[in-house]
Amino acid sequence: GQNIDQPTEMTATEGAIVQINCTYQTSGFNGLFWYQQHAGEAPTFLSYNVLDGLEEKGRFSSFLSRSKGYSYLLLKELQMKDSASYLCAVRVGSSYKLIFGSGTRLLVRP
Amino acid sequence: DADVTQTPRNRITKTGKRIMLECSQTKGHDRMYWYRQDPGLGLQLIYYSFDVKDINKGEISDGYSVSRQAQAKFSLSLESAIPNQTALYFCATSDPRGGETQYFGPGTRLLVL
Repeated sequence: GQNIDQPTEMTATEGAIVQINCTYQTSGFNGLFWYQQHAGEAPTFLSYNVLDGLEEKGRFSSFLSRSKGYSYLLLKELQMKDSASYLCAVRVGSSYKLIFGSGTRLLVRP
Repeated sequence: DADVTQTPRNRITKTGKRIMLECSQTKGHDRMYWYRQDPGLGLQLIYYSFDVKDINKGEISDGYSVSRQAQAKFSLSLESAIPNQTALYFCATSDPRGGETQYFGPGTRLLVL
């Protein structure tokens, strides 16, 4: 079956760095996405990894290890507006469907 | 203007009623999706469509039906709503030329009494 695991909640301090982990067990892996979702709003795209390594985009970076079935999202210089849920999603097979994890709710405190 | 729009944004209905949720997009994407999200759970795929003539069931299609009226429009129907269909519903689109990144509409909050 398909399984994606993320921590349920994390807390961090404004200005700090936080790493949100995602592990997956899926068939036909075809890329991994990270989305940000503020409460009651639509998920918005943050990053995409299909090859091993680190992708950097401003304050956000995402890492992938396909052999370990592991990814992380790194958020630097945290701001209060970064308080949101972060969804890990894996693209599987030739159908290009996304399988979503339950999300990690991040609370940034002053 | 938003690229992916959903109507209505909020809806309250009664058990047994038929309702339709609509999604429109101006992104020119062929692929469209319907998801539901329950509190504390991830997004679950209901139906997806790769073009007007290609519609596929997702993980949780029972109790739902869809219609792809045009490339830009994809509607989700609940034939006879039940309380456990109370959820937040999202439409999304993607383009294989864009790496299949999915872009989401603002969501429809549905309450079935």
